[in-house]
Amino acid sequence: EVQLVESGGGLVQPGGSLRLSCAASGFTFSSYSMNWVRQAPGKGLEWVSYISSGGSTIYYADSVRGRFTISRDNAKNSLYLQVNSLRAEDTALYYCASLPPRSSSWYGGDYWGQGTLVTVSS
Amino acid sequence: DIQMTQSPSTLSASVGDRVTITCRASQSISSWLAWYQQKPGKAPKLLIYKASSFETGVPSRFSGSGSGTEFTLTISSLQPDDFATYYCQQYNSYPWTFGQGTKVEIK
Repeated sequence: EVQLVESGGGLVQPGGSLRLSCAASGFTFSSYSMNWVRQAPGKGLEWVSYISSGGSTIYYADSVRGRFTISRDNAKNSLYLQVNSLRAEDTALYYCASLPPRSSSWYGGDYWGQGTLVTVSS
Repeated sequence: DIQMTQSPSTLSASVGDRVTITCRASQSISSWLAWYQQKPGKAPKLLIYKASSFETGVPSRFSGSGSGTEFTLTISSLQPDDFATYYCQQYNSYPWTFGQGTKVEIK
């Protein structure tokens, strides 16, 4: 059974930091590019960051570039998001997700965790 | 950045209705479009990728079409389990972007 389990969220003051983790199992994690997607309470989905299967290619949303850092450890089947300089508008449920890649040879298999909640408040 | 605009934002329908949701991109994204279904308190679930390809296990009443800048998600006969919020997402170029969502409600 495929599982993505996020952890590391919590209540943090503005300007603070957290390290979000996502533990993967049930699929060949090292073969999948991975993403973080967030959802503010009662709002829509926002893509945050992408990392290629080997970790060499990384992208960020403009809203987090310079403050957030994505990384992965394929030996530990884990994805990470270091979130620094947090703002109230970063309050959201953070999902790790594989998402469809821009590839004609991909034939399905999209995985999402249940999310970890980050609340930024004083 | 590519803007994704869904319409309508809310849709009231009855079981058995044919439902169509539209997603427009601010520039061409070829067929690099996905559709997701999200229920309250749950993670999104992929329905359609590459505009019209089915994710494994998705009921055949769901279908996707379009290319370029205009796309549609159709539910041929709405079932009780389909009342949810639906999002489109482009993955043609970074930053990847989602539409604002369409909530399908019971009429």
